[in-house]
Amino acid sequence: AQSVTQLDSHVSVSEGTPVLLRCNYSSSYSPSLFWYVQHPNKGLQLLLKYTSAATLVKGINGFEAEFKKSETSFHLTKPSAHMSDAAEYFCVVTQTGANNLFFGTGTRLTVIP
Amino acid sequence: DSGVTQTPKHLITATGQRVTLRCSPRSGDLSVYWYQQSLDQGLQFLIQYYNGEERAKGNILERFSAQQFPDLHSELNLSSLELGDSALYFCASSVSPASSGNTIYFGEGSWLTVV
Repeated sequence: AQSVTQLDSHVSVSEGTPVLLRCNYSSSYSPSLFWYVQHPNKGLQLLLKYTSAATLVKGINGFEAEFKKSETSFHLTKPSAHMSDAAEYFCVVTQTGANNLFFGTGTRLTVIP
Repeated sequence: DSGVTQTPKHLITATGQRVTLRCSPRSGDLSVYWYQQSLDQGLQFLIQYYNGEERAKGNILERFSAQQFPDLHSELNLSSLELGDSALYFCASSVSPASSGNTIYFGEGSWLTVV
């Protein structure tokens, strides 16, 4: 069975400081992992995805994530937070043979000026 | 803009009523998914279609049904509505099912408020 756990429901950072959003996954087989972002009153936008290629994945808007199989983690990072990064972030997993995505409960990122 | 179009964007209706939400997938995408997002349940997978056929079913209530038409657009029908059905309903699409790691693109959602 697949699942993801987002370890923080809310993260608050100051503008210009690093961002770390944590995600652990559980998957029986080789997973595909995604990070989506949802801005207020908007749909879900794909930030980046891992599908068994390079373990360090670069996404849009300066975000990246590292797949660590030994730690079953897929944490999202950004070196310097911007005010426009304030949003809800979802870690998502699927795997070969699965027909849908399994979402984490989300992490709300607040960026303080 | 993801290319996935959902209508209506907002809908207010009374308990006991029936509504239909419509989704047009990205051009070329054969797979359509429906998700429900509510404050207490988070993002819940409802159902998936691929090229007109149901492929997977999640936490979809019996009062809800969906279909995908030959032109690949999809409709989600919600009947005997209850207050607890108030939520944001997302449609998403991908070229093929999620199992191959294909990106799933989401629409902006349909806000349903049941009063």
